[in-house]
Amino acid sequence: QVQLVQSGAEVKKPGASVKVSCKAFGYTFSSHVMDWVRQAPGQRLEWMGWINAGNGNTKYSEKFQGRVTITRDTSASTAYMELSSLRSDDTAVYYCARDTCGGCPLDIWGQGTVVTVSS
Amino acid sequence: EIVLTQSPGTLSLSPGERATLSCRASQSVSSSYLAWYQQKPGQAPRLLIYDASSRATGIPDRFSGSGSGTDFTLTISRLEPEDFAVYYCQQYGSSPRTFGQGTKVEIK
Repeated sequence: QVQLVQSGAEVKKPGASVKVSCKAFGYTFSSHVMDWVRQAPGQRLEWMGWINAGNGNTKYSEKFQGRVTITRDTSASTAYMELSSLRSDDTAVYYCARDTCGGCPLDIWGQGTVVTVSS
Repeated sequence: EIVLTQSPGTLSLSPGERATLSCRASQSVSSSYLAWYQQKPGQAPRLLIYDASSRATGIPDRFSGSGSGTDFTLTISRLEPEDFAVYYCQQYGSSPRTFGQGTKVEIK
């Protein structure tokens, strides 16, 4: 069935980078866009950016511009989100979610990846 | 950036009752590009409603959405035990897409 499976939990030190993967099953990966959304403890959901899995075009939230890089490997039906210069307030659950058009609702979500930033 | 404000913060109701959740935008949401999601503890959000009033695939008809411009509503006609959760609205008509802070529907 259609699903997104993310990589496992990560613990990082401040200043490091983290790369989270999201593998798609059950649909044509390159026909959709993949968004990344995070949820810090007690906070609202926060959109980070998306990648067009077909042509590789990306769009990032200004808040994360310069720190986030979203890539994809079409042969592996996998999208990646790398966040650099980690701070303690980057501690959150990071989700990938399928987006039909790069400005559409998010109809399929990954299970989430917990990223903890601590010294 | 469009700021979404949801009310109330918590709604305490009994199974079988009607739930009415509100989402207000700081400026008009383009083309009613507003969605509602349900999130249960430890789970990812699930899409319920898109384009303000269209139900997503597999969503029961007790869930309905309405509204336009800056004021939107999610209604659950008769609460089932599995409906007690947190609900978020989201606008995707302008970048960055933004979410409300959530409304928790709890058992009274």
